[in-house]
Amino acid sequence: GQNIDQPTEMTATEGAIVQINCTYQTSGFNGLFWYQQHAGEAPTFLSYNVLDGLEEKGRFSSFLSRSKGYSYLLLKELQMKDSASYLCACKGGSYIPTFGRGTSLIVHP
Amino acid sequence: DGGITQSPKYLFRKEGQNVTLSCEQNLNHDAMYWYRQDPGQGLRLIYYSQIVNDFQKGDIAEGYSVSREKKESFPLTVTSAQKNPTAFYLCASSIEGGSSGANVLTFGAGSRLTVL
Repeated sequence: GQNIDQPTEMTATEGAIVQINCTYQTSGFNGLFWYQQHAGEAPTFLSYNVLDGLEEKGRFSSFLSRSKGYSYLLLKELQMKDSASYLCACKGGSYIPTFGRGTSLIVHP
Repeated sequence: DGGITQSPKYLFRKEGQNVTLSCEQNLNHDAMYWYRQDPGQGLRLIYYSQIVNDFQKGDIAEGYSVSREKKESFPLTVTSAQKNPTAFYLCASSIEGGSSGANVLTFGAGSRLTVL
């Protein structure tokens, strides 16, 4: 089975930097995803990591350490529209993504 | 534009009734998935299909049924056997299933089912 853990809620200030952590335990590992989901909407893809290290994509970056079973999503220059739920998902030996409970990020002025 | 269409967006059902949620994609994706989302629970996998005429149970398949007669369509039936069906249902697709590649999921806009 798989177990994915991420904080339930985080708050941050507009213009700041926030790091959302995700730890996972899985039998077999075939990649880790981050998705963004605004309330009542569909999740949208943010990033994918399969090798250790940092992947940067504009204001968003994602990091993976396979030996530690750990990933984080880094959001820079926060904007109000970044208020959303951020879902960590892990693809294990079955190749089907399993999602964590999501982290609700609240950005305030 | 290619995408996934789910219907209806909102649905109300009386206890004891079956209801079918539609999911259609024109992305030419082989794999399709149904997830259920409850507050504080994240997304939980109900069923998935990697190819036409084949599908597998996910983590919470009890009380649900699916079919995959066409590549584009993967309807989900919520039966009266599902004890707590009120939830947000998300359909997704990917280029292929069972792959070690990135295989990003594309989601539909969701269907919100409320049992009265």
